[in-house]
Parts: sequence; structure tokens; C-alpha cells
Amino acid sequence: AQKVTQAQTEISVVEKEDVTLDCVYETRDTTYYLFWYKQPPSGELVFLIRRNSFDEQNEISGRYSWNFQKSTSSFNFTITASQVVDSAVYFCALQTQGGSEKLVFGKGTKLTVNP
Amino acid sequence: DVKVTQSSRYLVKRTGEKVFLECVQDMDHENMFWYRQDPGLGLRLIYFSYDVKMKEKGDIPEGYSVSREKKERFSLILESASTNQTSMYLCASSPRRVGNQPQHFGDGTRLSIL
Repeated sequence: AQKVTQAQTEISVVEKEDVTLDCVYETRDTTYYLFWYKQPPSGELVFLIRRNSFDEQNEISGRYSWNFQKSTSSFNFTITASQVVDSAVYFCALQTQGGSEKLVFGKGTKLTVNP
Repeated sequence: DVKVTQSSRYLVKRTGEKVFLECVQDMDHENMFWYRQDPGLGLRLIYFSYDVKMKEKGDIPEGYSVSREKKERFSLILESASTNQTSMYLCASSPRRVGNQPQHFGDGTRLSIL
């Protein structure tokens, strides 16, 4: 069975702080894909990144970076120098090669960035 | 840009009513999905469809049905609405598996059953 755990329910930081959102996944498949989505207060889910299981390279996009470690089954997301506009609920999700097109989502982490 | 449009942002219905939630996508995607989102539970898959007239149950299909008569449209039906179906409903679409493309989501429908 596939499972995604986001242990941090809510995080509150002050603007310009760095913050890391944790994501731990479980799957027996050797081919799988990991995603991060952002859900701002307006409600729509916005796709941020996709990673496949064969690519453990970390990725940086502006203030965002992702650390994928197969050894610990983790796919953590770091926001550097956080801004108020980063306030949102962030979801990590897993899709497996043998699991059809379905995404299994974590329960989300609500990030609040205070001015 | 992919556009997934849900017919209503907010909807209020009464217990026992038949409720239709509509979703339309404009990118010719084969796959379409319906999720519900509840506090503390994240997103849970209700139904999905790989093609016209095809449907598959997700994790929580009880009390729901779906219809996909045209490729661009995927409807979620609450046969007899109940208060425990008060939730945020999200529709998504994606192309058929080509390196597992991301799902694109609509803005959501916040449904209240009174």
C-alpha cells in the first residue's frame, strides 16, 4: 500500500525565516513519482514539482528547494527567506507505476508566514 | 495553460436532494478525477476516469456516482445528499500516462448540505 506522511500539521514563521516542510512516503514499487502542490487561501491546488524515483538530484527553483532521499523515503521542501505570499497549505503526493494514475496525498502542512 | 473549470465555487443544498457538480477541462486530457478535501484528512479520491464512459472507484465512492459522456466533462453526482457530504470538492485532469504528468486542479466547490 502507498502512504504519504506529513507530520507537521501547522507551521508558523516570521517573514525571511527559512522553513522546511517534511514528507515521508511508503511504497513497495521501485518506480514512482513524488509531487508537491501548494493550496493558497483561494483554494486551487497549484503544482510545484514532480520527481521520479530514479532521479535523486536535489532541485532549486528560486527560493524553493527540494531534497529527495530514497534512503530515508523522504522528499522535503524548503522555502528560503519566506514571504507572506508563501502562506498556504502544502501537500506532498505519491504516484506509483503500478497504481494507475492515482495520487496519494499527505494530509498537508499549513504554513503561516507572519510579517 | 491548462484550465479546469468547476461550475460553482459555493453551493448550498438540502438533505435528500440530488446534487450535480460539474467539471470541464480544455486540454483534451484523458484522465479526470474527483476528490474531496476535509480538515485533517487531506485529499481523498472519490472517482476517476481514464476515458469517455469509463469510471473507476477511488477510496471513498460510497454515496457518489459519476458521469463522463464527453471527454472534456466529468460530473460528480450525490444521489441523495447527506450532511456528512458537506465538504470541499476538487476536480483534476491529466494526460494519459507519459512520464506520469501532474494533475491540474480546478478552483474547488465548497458544498454545504443542510
